[in-house]
Amino acid sequence: AQTVTQSQPEMSVQEAETVTLSCTYDTSESDYYLFWYKQPPSRQMILVIRQEAYKQQNATENRFSVNFQKAAKSFSLKISDSQLGDAAMYFCAYRRGSGGSNYKLTFGKGTLLTVNP
Amino acid sequence: KAGVTQTPRYLIKTRGQQVTLSCSPISGHRSVSWYQQTPGQGLQFLFEYFSETQRNKGNFPGRFSGRQFSNSRSEMNVSTLELGDSALYLCACGDDPAYNEQFFGPGTRLTVL
Repeated sequence: AQTVTQSQPEMSVQEAETVTLSCTYDTSESDYYLFWYKQPPSRQMILVIRQEAYKQQNATENRFSVNFQKAAKSFSLKISDSQLGDAAMYFCAYRRGSGGSNYKLTFGKGTLLTVNP
Repeated sequence: KAGVTQTPRYLIKTRGQQVTLSCSPISGHRSVSWYQQTPGQGLQFLFEYFSETQRNKGNFPGRFSGRQFSNSRSEMNVSTLELGDSALYLCACGDDPAYNEQFFGPGTRLTVL
């Protein structure tokens, strides 16, 4: 079974600074997707960034980027120029690739990010 | 394009009752998944429906059931409610067959007294 581990229950960052959230996962599959979701106090789950395992290039979305280390099964999220609106719970999630039929997301426990003005 | 909607947003029930939650996916999205979120267990997969068929099921007791209608709207039902069923229930939809992204609804907060 796949597992996702987020070892940092809480993190804090100063506004305009950079912060990195850690995630490791365990799987025996070679085709899969990794995601970072953001859940603000409104509880709406929002996709931040997605990484396909077959792609060597790290995904980037504006101020958000990932460091995907497939051999180490590590998938960290870097938030640059942190803004107050980035404060939220961040979840790392795994999903198997398109070759199967089970597309459930397996989530980590989350990291609560606080942004200090 | 309208987002994923879930109704009701908040619900209070007592032990032993049953409850039905509804999820309307984005137009054109035929897959609906349900997740339970609790402080202790985190986010756990309940089940997934595609074209009115349950495609996958998580490790939950039979008290948890669901269905999907021809318009892709989905309902989940919990019978004989227990205190531990108090949670945020999230649904997510995808445009399938092997969607790369799931879009989440705002959730239904269920409190069991």
